Amino acid sequence: AQSVAQPEDQVNVAEGNPLTVKCTYSVSGNPYLFWYVQYPNRGLQFLLKYITGDNLVKGSYGFEAEFNKSQTSFHLKKPSALVSDSALYFCAVREPGRTTSGTYKYIFGTGTRLKVLA
Amino acid sequence: GAVVSQHPSWVICKSGTSVKIECRSLDFQATTMFWYRQFPKQSLMLMATSNEGSKATYEQGVEKDKFLINHASLTLSTLTVTSAHPEDSSFYICSGNRGEETQYFGPGTRLLVL
Repeated sequence: AQSVAQPEDQVNVAEGNPLTVKCTYSVSGNPYLFWYVQYPNRGLQFLLKYITGDNLVKGSYGFEAEFNKSQTSFHLKKPSALVSDSALYFCAVREPGRTTSGTYKYIFGTGTRLKVLA
Repeated sequence: GAVVSQHPSWVICKSGTSVKIECRSLDFQATTMFWYRQFPKQSLMLMATSNEGSKATYEQGVEKDKFLINHASLTLSTLTVTSAHPEDSSFYICSGNRGEETQYFGPGTRLLVL
């Protein structure tokens, strides 16, 4: 069965320091991986995705993620954290097969709360 | 581009009433829309998938007669919570897919049933 794991419920980092939010996955076939950010009482905002190509993917707001096939990981990173980066981050993987209605579903991780301390 | 709106952003209703939530893709045509439910401090739970002009596909355990979904056009999907009860109180989020890999999410609707 397909799954996504975010092993940390919360990550604390000092402003200006690099940050990493971890995500590992288990899928059959080639993974389609996504990172989203959610601010309080808001929907999810798309950050970046990996479909194919370079293992290092650059996204919005200075975030990037590294796809590592051997470790089945897709960790989110940023070289220098900002207080405004504090939010809830979700990793997601697209299920490999279409549904009966012809669409693809996402599987979401449980989320990691990032706290950037001033 | 790829903006999704939801209306209302929050709603309070009495137990037994029905509530309709609208999800609109503002600058793209959403061939598929998804409805999620999110409990406090938890991940998103997919409720149903809808394609324009056809019946929604509900996830296991989601009552289709309770959560009515209509996807009448490529830019509008609605979720109606019928005969709402306090346990239906939650944060409901929709997303749209324009035929590529990425889902674009609305800002969510917080429902409180008294």
